[in-house]
Amino acid sequence: EAGVAQSPRYKIIEKRQSVAFWCNPISGHATLYWYQQILGQGPKLLIQFQNNGVVDDSQLPKDRFSAERLKGVDSTLKIQPAKLEDSAVYLCASSLDLAGYNEQFFGPGTRLTVL
Amino acid sequence: GNSVTQMEGPVTLSEEAFLTINCTYTATGYPSLFWYVQYPGEGLQLLLKATKADDKGSNKGFEATYRKETTSFHLEKGSVQVSDSAVYFCALSENAGGTSYGKLTFGQGTILTVHP
Repeated sequence: EAGVAQSPRYKIIEKRQSVAFWCNPISGHATLYWYQQILGQGPKLLIQFQNNGVVDDSQLPKDRFSAERLKGVDSTLKIQPAKLEDSAVYLCASSLDLAGYNEQFFGPGTRLTVL
Repeated sequence: GNSVTQMEGPVTLSEEAFLTINCTYTATGYPSLFWYVQYPGEGLQLLLKATKADDKGSNKGFEATYRKETTSFHLEKGSVQVSDSAVYFCALSENAGGTSYGKLTFGQGTILTVHP
């Protein structure tokens, strides 16, 4: 079974530029998550989708971050404009559904460096 | 809100030593508890989980017991190997209802290094 795919794996941009990340979850998984992991910290949820609807985006900095999940499958996360403090690894995860006991499967992440 | 606190790291052990990584949590309701592991160069993956009080999760020789009375989920292994060197994250997820349903709240991670 294919895992969660993410691209690109690495991205270096200058502050005030824009960047987009892509995620393809495991087939059949209804729930998709984007987490931000700053060096030395645990991942923090940015946004959670159930199919193509947003469940929780309370921690998403909406003045610069946006995300969508087209047709309830693939998802993109965009940052515009980027700030230095956005340097982090962006993780995409998916699970069968919203149930809290379900395992979440993580992609390899995109490491973003903002100069 | 929900939170997870892990013991300060990093942890350095010799092969075959006993491992404990402490984890305590604060949550509304009765969450599910998880240990995720990140091996060098790899993505996060589930190590074990427990979904209700007194449950014991186990995998690859690791164990953790869901202790509601002490709000803890400490990770243990009787004899570590060099291949166990990784970053370990304790996490929780609310089981139903509330605004945090389904999402994981992580601890800060503990770096484990095992020497031969």
